[in-house]
This record gives sequence, C-alpha cells and structure tokens, in this order.
Amino acid sequence: EAGVAQSPRYKIIEKRQSVAFWCNPISGHATLYWYQQILGQGPKLLIQFQNNGVVDDSQLPKDRFSAERLKGVDSTLKIQPAKLEDSAVYLCASSFPHEKLFFGSGTQLSVL
Amino acid sequence: DQQVKQNSPSLSVQEGRISILNCDYTNSMFDYFLWYKKYPAEGPTFLISISSIKDKNEDGRFTVFLNKSAKHLSLHIVPSQPGDSAVYFCAASARRSQGNLIFGKGTKLSVKP
Repeated sequence: EAGVAQSPRYKIIEKRQSVAFWCNPISGHATLYWYQQILGQGPKLLIQFQNNGVVDDSQLPKDRFSAERLKGVDSTLKIQPAKLEDSAVYLCASSFPHEKLFFGSGTQLSVL
Repeated sequence: DQQVKQNSPSLSVQEGRISILNCDYTNSMFDYFLWYKKYPAEGPTFLISISSIKDKNEDGRFTVFLNKSAKHLSLHIVPSQPGDSAVYFCAASARRSQGNLIFGKGTKLSVKP
C-alpha cells in the first residue's frame, strides 16, 4: 500500500517569498491534515480536511497561509509571504475518520 | 498551554534493558492516546495506541499503560534494541470531537549496544 506522498522534500526561500507544498494522501482516506513541526517541538495541527471541507483551521495563520483540497484527494498548502519563523517541517497526514494518522516524510522549509 | 507534556527531552538505555517513556496530559476530554516514533528526515510512524476504556495495551515488545486518574501514560519497550533509537511522541485526541491529535514535544531515546 502506498503511503502519504509529499513534495518537495526540501525548500529554501528568502523571507517575503511564496512557497507551496503538495500532498497526496493514502487512497480512501477521507481525512487529511497539515501539521507544522518546528525544531524541538511536537507537530502542531494547521488544518484538517474531511473530504473537500475544512473541519478545523483554528491554528492556521490565515493572513499568510492557505490550503485547499480539491476533489477530496490531493491537497496544497501555501505560504505567502514567508517569514523567518515559518522555518519548519511541514507534515501531511491522512486517516480514516477518528482513526490513527499516517504521515508523509514532510517538507523541510528553510526561510532565510 | 501544553495539553500533552513529555517532560524528559532525552533518555539513554542499555541494549536489552527496559525503556520507559512518560507522558502527562491535562485535558480530561482526551479519550484516545497514541505513541509515534520518528527517525531523522522521516515522518512520524504509528507505534501503539490505547483507548481510555483500557489501562493497558500490548504489542510485542511495546506496552502502553494509561492511568486516567493521574492523567498519565507511559510506553514500555522491553527489551530495548539499538534500532529503537528515535524520537518518541505521545499524542492524544478527543475522538468524540474533531479527532485531531495533540502532540507532546517528544523524547529522544538512545539505546546503546
């Protein structure tokens, strides 16, 4: 069974630039999550989708972050403009509703 | 305010001995607890879980214990192996609500040969 696919694996940008991350969840998983993991911290939920709809985006900095999940499958997370404090690993995860999460390998973002 | 706390940033154990990783939580609505293991440059992988209706769950060398009155859970690894060296995250959710996971900061386990 294929796992959660994410790209790119690494991204280096300068502050105020924009960046986008892509995620393809495990087939059949209706729930998709984006987490942010800052060095030395645990993953923090940014946004949760159930099919096409947003279930929870309470911790998403909406002035600069946006996410979409078209057709209830793939998802993209965008940051525009990036700040230094956005340097982190961005993890995508998917699951059946209320079941354990399966994570992708993440995108490591460095903002210079 | 951290709802899930792992107060030990690191733990070093000799191969063959028991590793005990601890986790405390504050939200009494949490009813599902999980442990994830993370190697460098990889995403977290699911290890073991426990529902609040149980106080113990075992899977091979891994056992999770839940003490609801103390709002405490622990992961026991017996016997520890060098391949167990990784960062272990405790996570909790309130499945009756949205179901998303709240993670602790992690404990880095080093198992020495």
